[in-house]
Amino acid sequence: DTAVSQTPKYLVTQMGNDKSIKCEQNLGHDTMYWYKQDSKKFLKIMFSYNNKELIINETVPNRFSPKSPDKAHLNLHINSLELGDSAVYFCASSQGAGMNTEAFFGQGTRLTVV
Amino acid sequence: GENVEQHPSTLSVQEGDSAVIKCTYSDSASNYFPWYKQELGKRPQLIIDIRSNVGEKKDQRIAVTLNKTAKHFSLHITETQPEDSAVYFCAASRSNFGNEKLTFGTGTRLTIIP
Repeated sequence: DTAVSQTPKYLVTQMGNDKSIKCEQNLGHDTMYWYKQDSKKFLKIMFSYNNKELIINETVPNRFSPKSPDKAHLNLHINSLELGDSAVYFCASSQGAGMNTEAFFGQGTRLTVV
Repeated sequence: GENVEQHPSTLSVQEGDSAVIKCTYSDSASNYFPWYKQELGKRPQLIIDIRSNVGEKKDQRIAVTLNKTAKHFSLHITETQPEDSAVYFCAASRSNFGNEKLTFGTGTRLTIIP
């Protein structure tokens, strides 16, 4: 069973469109994240949720709106897509709550905006 | 906030030789330092981690050292093999009761030359 799964794996869309990426973890973790990996491979945190509550928002444009219906899911909705949004987006989860432990990553979603 | 610097950005070593990757961090409160390996087209995966109460940790051919005073930590891979070729990321985090986040270094692309 996949621990952290995200869909879709690939997403090609036109500028101006709105798209969503879904993420689910079956590890029972309290904390979930979205990371963005650009073409230079830099991994940068976007959001962190702990038990469905937004904890970290790293100055991401408000076109990006995360939603956590429960602590096992963290979805990412992007409005009015721009060329610069093209990247690989990784969802991750960890135990959190004061326990620095391993972050488990999903397989990534390669978003290409044309 | 935390800032993690990683060097070198690329590293090529002959198979069988050792590889060393170095990172420095800025937040003296950081207490957890994992290393992730990302193979081409795959997700980052934890290979080893160290906490601030330990100076060195070893797991077979991989070792990590931590110097809290100087705020730097290093990854050592001995007897390198072709399957060690990947991008390696260091990261730092501080326990913050649900507000943990991994700040990643910029990555090192390691190439093992057969």
